[in-house]
Amino acid sequence: NAGVMQNPRHLVRRRGQEARLRCSPMKGHSHVYWYRQLPEEGLKFMVYLQKENIIDESGMPKERFSAEFPKEGPSILRIQQVVRGDSAAYFCASSLGPLPYEQYFGPGTRLTVT
Amino acid sequence: QKEVEQNSGPLSVPEGAIASLNCTYSDRGSQSFFWYRQYSGKSPELIMSIYSNGDKEDGRFTAQLNKASQYVSLLIRDSQPSDSATYLCAGDPTGANSKLTFGKGITLSVRP
Repeated sequence: NAGVMQNPRHLVRRRGQEARLRCSPMKGHSHVYWYRQLPEEGLKFMVYLQKENIIDESGMPKERFSAEFPKEGPSILRIQQVVRGDSAAYFCASSLGPLPYEQYFGPGTRLTVT
Repeated sequence: QKEVEQNSGPLSVPEGAIASLNCTYSDRGSQSFFWYRQYSGKSPELIMSIYSNGDKEDGRFTAQLNKASQYVSLLIRDSQPSDSATYLCAGDPTGANSKLTFGKGITLSVRP
């Protein structure tokens, strides 16, 4: 499978727990983007990473959210102390390089906070 | 605020017709634009990218970019019921080459 992989596909967390979302980019891609899609809303950029570097985190909430893309392994989006408002679909996309290189999306992780 | 806007919709066309989807953007610095298709409950799927003024064709799809008027459009010829989905326009309004800004999408319904 040469596509972007995300896991888990569905994640249920209680308020106050931590959520960890993983993303493995397409083979050969070293640029990873995280987007969030709230119910009935558009896709919103969160963070852009290259291996071991955060390039742009202007869309990340200031608290509770963090992201990393280590030298080895998948990119991880971590949400600490989740609240109901964090319930959304989180999509990862990868590309060969920065824009205007095309971004390809993974299947997403649907987070539900109860 | 650098915006990508899709204000029309939902759109309903009969099977076999041409569907025309429009998008405007607010920053002349934008250089690259993308059209994605998203089926309900699924992830966005890239249809086409366009960077230069004019038309770009790929099968039944044609993207059009007019930088002077700051709009980008997607034409779908010979529309099929399987084209029924939400179409997302995305661009890089900041010109910083770091992220895509998406419009809210246009929902297309193709009637058999």
